[in-house]
Amino acid sequence: AQKITQTQPGMFVQEKEAVTLDCTYDTSDPSYGLFWYKQPSSGEMIFLIYQGSYDQQNATEGRYSLNFQKARKSANLVISASQLGDSAMYFCAMDQGAQKLVFGQGTRLTINP
Amino acid sequence: EAQVTQNPRYLITVTGKKLTVTCSQNMNHEYMSWYRQDPGLGLRQIYYSMNVEVTDKGDVPEGYKVSRKEKRNFPLILESPSPNQTSLYFCASHTGTGGVDTQYFGPGTRLTVL
Repeated sequence: AQKITQTQPGMFVQEKEAVTLDCTYDTSDPSYGLFWYKQPSSGEMIFLIYQGSYDQQNATEGRYSLNFQKARKSANLVISASQLGDSAMYFCAMDQGAQKLVFGQGTRLTINP
Repeated sequence: EAQVTQNPRYLITVTGKKLTVTCSQNMNHEYMSWYRQDPGLGLRQIYYSMNVEVTDKGDVPEGYKVSRKEKRNFPLILESPSPNQTSLYFCASHTGTGGVDTQYFGPGTRLTVL
């Protein structure tokens, strides 16, 4: 079965610094997708970025990029030039077939002014 | 606007009092799911549905029921809620076609069972 591990329960970063949120995964499937979601204090789940297992290049979406290292089974989220509004809980997830997403425990990111 | 709606957003109830959380999507998605979020555990799937009248258990189905009589609706039913079902609940939908098949999440329902 798939498993996602986020080892950083909380992170504190100065505004404007880059931040890397760690995510490792475990799967025996050759084809899979990796997702990052942001959950602000209001509670909604906001999709940030997606990486397919066969994608040759790392995904990027604005200030978000995904550092995908397939051999190491890691899919770290990099946020460049952090902003106060980036303070939130961040979840890494992997699809398990078409049925569901498997989520990590989450990392609470706090951006300090 | 593509969206998943859930109602109610907040609910406080007592042990044993049956309740239903509604979920509706306007994107004609085949797949719909219910997740619960608990601190330190992330989101875990309760039930999912692949189409009308097709549902299956997720990872934590005990104490929950679902139905899919219409494609757009996927209600979550707690026949006899207990305090351990206090959680944040999310409904989600997606096409099931793979690739960047982003799951669209509802706004969440905060349930407290006393």
